[in-house]
Amino acid sequence: GQQLNQSPQSMFIQEGEDVSMNCTSSSIFNTWLWYKQDPGEGPVLLIALYKAGELTSNGRLTAQFGITRKDSFLNISASIPSDVGIYFCAANSGYALNFGKGTSLLVTP
Amino acid sequence: SAVISQKPSRDICQRGTSLTIQCQVDSQVTMMFWYRQQPGQSLTLIATANQGSEATYESGFVIDKFPISRPNLTFSTLTVSNMSPEDSSIYLCSVEDPWGKDTEAFFGQGTRLTVV
Repeated sequence: GQQLNQSPQSMFIQEGEDVSMNCTSSSIFNTWLWYKQDPGEGPVLLIALYKAGELTSNGRLTAQFGITRKDSFLNISASIPSDVGIYFCAANSGYALNFGKGTSLLVTP
Repeated sequence: SAVISQKPSRDICQRGTSLTIQCQVDSQVTMMFWYRQQPGQSLTLIATANQGSEATYESGFVIDKFPISRPNLTFSTLTVSNMSPEDSSIYLCSVEDPWGKDTEAFFGQGTRLTVV
């Protein structure tokens, strides 16, 4: 599969802070997706992006599909303890998904 | 979105044995995918299972080790054969959205396998 470079690898923040993570690739993709995985669960889709430059929100989450189609970022505003988990970017080139290595988010009250 | 049920949710198995994981979807889907997630790692695609044809395996995965069945449009199984401790992972079934964008994927809760 094609490699997605996701950063940061982990984040340790206080409740109320904003969070930003991103994914980059040397390849062009048609779709960027962001997932959250809680311990013992499968990944849950948070946001899907379909068009270069697209900016989409889902509650406190905002994600953008990079204009070059090679990157995407996810922002979480005003973090809360239940935001804890691992966040994965994924990109689809028309076949199956390629996944980033994940960003582990810890939020302290 | 589709509702995906995976069984078992976890198992501890002896090396040399085989385990079959089941994936049931609440709607008909064309393609089902099987992923492996090794401890602390990201998801790696094992194979794509299409109904009525042999599964398509990704590089590094072979049918003898991970045989897959796809008897109908709502069900698939993945077998992990002749297991070794290196097979200890979470195995995830995934489908594309049956009603919406076919590039969105949804996952079962996973099967946590420990081989001792």
